[in-house]
Amino acid sequence: AQSVTQPDIHITVSEGASLELRCNYSYGATPYLFWYVQSPGQGLQLLLKYFSGDTLVQGIKGFEAEFKRSQSSFNLRKPSVHWSDAAEYFCAVGALNFNKFYFGSGTKLNVKP
Amino acid sequence: EAQVTQNPRYLITVTGKKLTVTCSQNMNHEYMSWYRQDPGLGLRQIYYSMNVEVTDKGDVPEGYKVSRKEKRNFPLILESPSPNQTSLYFCASSITGTSGYEQYFGPGTRLTVT
Repeated sequence: AQSVTQPDIHITVSEGASLELRCNYSYGATPYLFWYVQSPGQGLQLLLKYFSGDTLVQGIKGFEAEFKRSQSSFNLRKPSVHWSDAAEYFCAVGALNFNKFYFGSGTKLNVKP
Repeated sequence: EAQVTQNPRYLITVTGKKLTVTCSQNMNHEYMSWYRQDPGLGLRQIYYSMNVEVTDKGDVPEGYKVSRKEKRNFPLILESPSPNQTSLYFCASSITGTSGYEQYFGPGTRLTVT
């Protein structure tokens, strides 16, 4: 069965520090992979996506993610976190044939001044 | 402005009283979907629609109905709501196709069933 695991429920980093949010997926074929961000009281906004090709993808707001097929991972990174990055982050997998989507349980990011 | 709208944004109702949450998109997207968000569970897909008159179940369809009579609208119907349907609901849309899996989300509808 398809699933997405985000092992970190909460993460706190200092402003200016680097960030890595983990995402592991279980899917029988090459998945479509996404990272979304949800600010408090808001809907979800797409940060970046991976369909094929270069395994390092760049997104908005200075985020990037790397697809590692051997580890079934799609970790999100940012070299220097800003206070405005405090939000909840969701990793998601899209099923190629069935148009179904599977989301992880989310990681809440706190940013210390 | 390209957007997905949902109404109402907040709703408190009682068990068994039928309700409909509307969703509309102005981007001519073929694909639309409903999700519920619960703490610790992330988003779970309820129903999706590939196009007009084409709908299918997601992972948690029990207790919900949908219809897709027009391309822009995709209402979510709870015919007999129960307290376990208290949740935050999101509608989303995207262009169907290899480039179309980016979903645009509405602002959410917070439903409380007492």
